Amino acid sequence: GQQVMQIPQYQHVQEGEDFTTYCNSSTTLSNIQWYKQRPGGHPVFLIQLVKSGEVKKQKRLTFQFGEAKKNSSLHITATQTTDVGTYFCAEITGYSSASKIIFGSGTRLSIRP
Amino acid sequence: EPEVTQTPSHQVTQMGQEVILRCVPISNHLYFYWYRQILGQKVEFLVSFYNNEISEKSEIFDDQFSVERPDGSNFTLKIRSTKLEDSAMYFCASTEQEQETQYFGPGTRLLVL
Repeated sequence: GQQVMQIPQYQHVQEGEDFTTYCNSSTTLSNIQWYKQRPGGHPVFLIQLVKSGEVKKQKRLTFQFGEAKKNSSLHITATQTTDVGTYFCAEITGYSSASKIIFGSGTRLSIRP
Repeated sequence: EPEVTQTPSHQVTQMGQEVILRCVPISNHLYFYWYRQILGQKVEFLVSFYNNEISEKSEIFDDQFSVERPDGSNFTLKIRSTKLEDSAMYFCASTEQEQETQYFGPGTRLLVL
């Protein structure tokens, strides 16, 4: 079945360091979404990328969609303790009357204060 | 800001028992979803629902699972005879239009003993 893999699985950084998670698919993605899930929380939508090579920024977060639309990355500059959580890439897909989200395996970010 | 709500927040049940997980989607939303997340793993799609019928379901959503929209506000997931491996966090999500951002509820943590 369709799978979206993420690396690394875990990342532990010192506060203030940068963080990057990578998302890879064996098939071309129609779009890529990124979600953040705080410990004990639910997935919260961050952003959606649709175009090949697209780059979007949200404050310290930079999202990229690969030229071939098979990979994506999320980069956080100067991490803060509030960035702790698991970051999932995902593809929204489906047909007929409703779509579904296929989530990647996630990268869990922990931060040393 | 409108939110998806879910009850109960936690449910403990004995193997073989029936459970009903409840969700109140955002009021003007038309598409409804259930996802589950086994502890430490990624979020997995279970089922999508639109116009009072299932649009799509995953392999996980077998005959033991059913969904219902009994009235204009609630959306329920029933597991008829729970198994140990049904222990997970169950998230409800809703969206106003197909292919738009899905808003997740806080989840119900189900523990089957």
